[in-house]
Amino acid sequence: QQQVKQSPQSLIVQKGGISIINCAYENTAFDYFPWYQQFPGKGPALLIAIRPDVSEKKEGRFTISFNKSAKQFSLHIMDSQPGDSATYFCAACVSGNTPLVFGKGTRLSVIA
Amino acid sequence: NAGVMQNPRHLVRRRGQEARLRCSPMKGHSHVYWYRQLPEEGLKFMVYLQKENIIDESGMPKERFSAEFPKEGPSILRIQQVVRGDSAAYFCASSPENEQFFGPGTRLTVL
Repeated sequence: QQQVKQSPQSLIVQKGGISIINCAYENTAFDYFPWYQQFPGKGPALLIAIRPDVSEKKEGRFTISFNKSAKQFSLHIMDSQPGDSATYFCAACVSGNTPLVFGKGTRLSVIA
Repeated sequence: NAGVMQNPRHLVRRRGQEARLRCSPMKGHSHVYWYRQLPEEGLKFMVYLQKENIIDESGMPKERFSAEFPKEGPSILRIQQVVRGDSAAYFCASSPENEQFFGPGTRLTVL
């Protein structure tokens, strides 16, 4: 199975709060898991990515948590800001130049 | 180092016309992917190319759609005899290895 399931579909978070977006995959061959941020009218921008040999990766306010046995990974945005309001996509692929399989996206709104 | 470039940014075609979408990868990247995004949907893979070769076209409709990445010049996604259902945002991404970097997209509207 090639699906990547993403939830929630939309999320509203207070400024300064933590935003959490979850993804689950089925294909155990997947070994590269990026997250993309997309603003309206723009292309997706690579935010952060993880491989299954680590359970967590942090870059600034963004953290990916990875659970290989559950086949799940999540994005945490700490101290969420209004500028973080965008659509976030998780994706997965087999590393070595293969197509990405995307989740359906989460529309995040951070309100003051 | 310029990013992935796509043109045109917006394209309007009438049913039955042809649409040509261009993608120039980042300098040094020899792998190009095309994806399609429908409103409120994620991106769906269409085709993966390297210079002068189609590596994987499993996501591309068999009819009316074609893609190329010539030795010189941009990659081109071509849609012949467009229909209303082709209206979408088309993104290309280029890659040196695993990370894929996306262009700003071409928004195709079929009237």
